[in-house]
Amino acid sequence: NAGVTQTPKFRVLKTGQSMTLLCAQDMNHEYMYWYRQDPGMGLRLIHYSVGEGTTAKGEVPDGYNVSRLKKQNFLLGLESAAPSQTSVYFCASSYRASSYEQYFGPGTRLTVT
Amino acid sequence: GESVGLHLPTLSVQEGDNSIINCAYSNSASDYFIWYKQESGKGPQFIIDIRSNMDKRQGQRVTVLLNKTVKHLSLQIAATQPGDSAVYFCAENKNYGGATNKLIFGTGTLLAVQP
Repeated sequence: NAGVTQTPKFRVLKTGQSMTLLCAQDMNHEYMYWYRQDPGMGLRLIHYSVGEGTTAKGEVPDGYNVSRLKKQNFLLGLESAAPSQTSVYFCASSYRASSYEQYFGPGTRLTVT
Repeated sequence: GESVGLHLPTLSVQEGDNSIINCAYSNSASDYFIWYKQESGKGPQFIIDIRSNMDKRQGQRVTVLLNKTVKHLSLQIAATQPGDSAVYFCAENKNYGGATNKLIFGTGTLLAVQP
């Protein structure tokens, strides 16, 4: 199993540009999550999904949208990137909501200039 | 993979010594506490969890202690090895209603193992 994969690994955007980060998992997990990680702030939940076709807001959802059209994929979109969105983005998945063992991808470093 | 920022508290230990990483939490209502390990350039990896009605739980070379009186959580690593060098995050689980739980992560501690 590949586990959780993320594409791309790195990206540089200019303010106002848009992009989509792709997360894929091959573990048949129901739950998927998008986090951002900034220095000194730990991981913060952006959006999450409890199953195919469903999404919900996390702690810091503003400026991001998500979609879960297929169970194995969870997409994170930035419609109009801002420098404040410069961060490392991690996707994670878990078998069920009560599982505290989340499996994380390797991350995407996004820089917005 | 991606690296973690370096603006973190650091614990430096000698190889073979025991390590103790501490964490303070804020929410008395959290029902689970979890430790994650993040190696440089990788995503976090689950280590161990403890339910809020327990004081201690042991895993392989790791022990987690929970002191609810002072809202303190610690991770003890026995016979620390170079492969243990990483950033360690504590997380608390919050239930937002129904079956949905969310993890609230701490800011992390960098463990540096000296050979």
